[in-house]
Amino acid sequence: DQQVKQNSPSLSVQEGRISILNCDYTNSMFDYFLWYKKYPAEGPTFLISISSIKDKNEDGRFTVFLNKSAKHLSLHIVPSQPGDSAVYFCAASEGSNTGKLIFGQGTTLQVKP
Amino acid sequence: DTAVSQTPKYLVTQMGNDKSIKCEQNLGHDTMYWYKQDSKKFLKIMFSYNNKELIINETVPNRFSPKSPDKAHLNLHINSLELGDSAVYFCASSQGGEQRHYGYTFGSGTRLTVV
Repeated sequence: DQQVKQNSPSLSVQEGRISILNCDYTNSMFDYFLWYKKYPAEGPTFLISISSIKDKNEDGRFTVFLNKSAKHLSLHIVPSQPGDSAVYFCAASEGSNTGKLIFGQGTTLQVKP
Repeated sequence: DTAVSQTPKYLVTQMGNDKSIKCEQNLGHDTMYWYKQDSKKFLKIMFSYNNKELIINETVPNRFSPKSPDKAHLNLHINSLELGDSAVYFCASSQGGEQRHYGYTFGSGTRLTVV
């Protein structure tokens, strides 16, 4: 029973355009959501997070939007660059102090020059 | 200076063997984790230690035994390896409390192949 889902396994966009990566979750008790980026043969690296009490968080070219009523979040990358090509994982924090994160299965983004 | 380092990066071994994966972090983080990325690419938590104390033990076979000699190290020992143990294993660390929302720092992973 997967509590965090990324239903699009892959996404291809043109350089300079917007990339939108989506994530759905089922547990309304999640208190934080995070996005990670992963290159081949490397570990995931933290990108951006958002608290469940907010609906938007922005960091440079990256913006995460949270729609709690729909249990949906999205990561927008504007403008997309070829170096953004990677696997993006959505993750959710359960709200305990254990630090446990529940990850989606990832979306592979390809940004074409 | 690698923040979270895992060794080995690749491990190929026969069924029934016992193997260990080592992890060290130099970030001064309080909490360390082991995650498994299976063939479907999901990252699933296995164990978590906070200051050498086990705080998360998901439904993992007891052939897997984590050991944390100090808060900078979290090793994973696997007994009687099975074909289904083949996966990529990631070590990670994070700061405790509210700082945990800044996310984990992951190691680069250990690809375990059981033949």
